[in-house]
Amino acid sequence: GAGVSQSPSNKVTEKGKDVELRCDPISGHTALYWYRQSLGQGLEFLIYFQGNSAPDKSGLPSDRFSAERTGGSVSTLTIQRTQQEDSAVYLCASSLVEGQGGEQYFGPGTRLTVT
Amino acid sequence: AQKITQTQPGMFVQEKEAVTLDCTYDTSDPSYGLFWYKQPSSGEMIFLIYQGSYDQQNATEGRYSLNFQKARKSANLVISASQLGDSAMYFCAMSENSGGYQKVTFGTGTKLQVIP
Repeated sequence: GAGVSQSPSNKVTEKGKDVELRCDPISGHTALYWYRQSLGQGLEFLIYFQGNSAPDKSGLPSDRFSAERTGGSVSTLTIQRTQQEDSAVYLCASSLVEGQGGEQYFGPGTRLTVT
Repeated sequence: AQKITQTQPGMFVQEKEAVTLDCTYDTSDPSYGLFWYKQPSSGEMIFLIYQGSYDQQNATEGRYSLNFQKARKSANLVISASQLGDSAMYFCAMSENSGGYQKVTFGTGTKLQVIP
C-alpha cells in the first residue's frame, strides 16, 4: 500500500512569502505528526493531530506557523511571512495506533529553502 | 531536563561486529513507549524497533535488539553483525502521555559509520 506522501518535495521561496506544505498520511492512520529537521540536527516536534483535532500545538515556533487537517486525512502546514531560519526539512508522520506501540511512518519530507 | 538523551554524536564499528547505541530517557509517566529509527543519508526515517514500558522482555527485530533497563531509564539499541548499509543516523524516541494524548520526543541522534 501507499506510504506517507508529502508535497512539494522541494520548495524555494523568498523571505516574506507564505508557503503551504501538504501531507497525505497512510489511509486509516488517525494520528498525524509534523516535525522540522534542520541540517544535521534531530527532529523538532511541531504539532500533533488526532483525527481532525490538534491537542498539542506547543511545538509551533511562532504564530506564523499553523496547520490543519481535514476529513481525518490530509494535513497542510502553513508558514506565513517566511524567514530564513524557517529553512529546514519538514517531515510528516502518521501512526495507526494512538498510544503506546504506535510506531510512526514517515514521509520523504519537504525541503524548504527561504532565500 | 532532556526527555531523551543520546550521548554519542558519532560511532564507528567494524563490519560484522556488534555495536551499542546509547539512549537514556526521563519521564514520570508509568506507561510509555520507546522507539528507535534509522535515517540513512537519503533522509527517510525508518522505524526499527519498539519497547513498551510494561514489556517484560527486551524487544528484538532481526539484527536489532533493545537493551531495556527500566530502573536506569535506558533503552540502548544493539545492532549485531554490522553491515555497510547500517551506516546512518539513529534516533531514539519516547512516547508518553501528555495531557491525555501521546507526545513523542526524539533524541539528537547518533551517526553510525560501519568500516569495511
